[in-house]
Amino acid sequence: AQSVTQPDIHITVSEGASLELRCNYSYGATPYLFWYVQSPGQGLQLLLKYFSGDTLVQGIKGFEAEFKRSQSSFNLRKPSVHWSDAAEYFCAVGARGSYIPTFGRGTSLIVHP
Amino acid sequence: GAVVSQHPSWVICKSGTSVKIECRSLDFQATTMFWYRQFPKQSLMLMATSNEGSKATYEQGVEKDKFLINHASLTLSTLTVTSAHPEDSSFYICSAPVGGTGPNREQYFGPGTRLTVT
Repeated sequence: AQSVTQPDIHITVSEGASLELRCNYSYGATPYLFWYVQSPGQGLQLLLKYFSGDTLVQGIKGFEAEFKRSQSSFNLRKPSVHWSDAAEYFCAVGARGSYIPTFGRGTSLIVHP
Repeated sequence: GAVVSQHPSWVICKSGTSVKIECRSLDFQATTMFWYRQFPKQSLMLMATSNEGSKATYEQGVEKDKFLINHASLTLSTLTVTSAHPEDSSFYICSAPVGGTGPNREQYFGPGTRLTVT
């Protein structure tokens, strides 16, 4: 079975600074990989996903993530964080053919003005 | 994009009572919906897969008699927490897939329902 580890429970950055949220997965083959954002009162929103092809994936809201097979990682990055990016971020992995993602525990992003 | 709603957004009930949570796909039909449970600062745990017109499929360890799921139409799935106890207090989230069965299939999530059992 697949699993996801998000090693950082909280990340604090200053507005305008760059951001990297870590995600490591465990799966026997090339997985489907996702990043979701959860804001209070709103449903989880898909930021980006990786299925195959280019390992650098561009998403919405200026986010990108890079799939590194050798490191079993799919870290999320943003060059300049905005205060509105403060939220809970979830990495998820899906088995091929399943489409039901297994979620990590989430990383809470705090943005200082 | 597709919209999934949940009602109520939060509910407080007394121990021993039952609570029904609705999940609706507002602008698309969903033959399948998923129910998750999220504990504070923890991951979303898949509880069950709701199938329109047939029985739900429950994940291992989820009590099907406690968490009753009904998917009576192509736009509505309900989760009823029966004889609720304080340990059932949690955040319940539903989702519905859009986009067929290929890689473009995407899950759309509802905003969640906060259940507090006193």
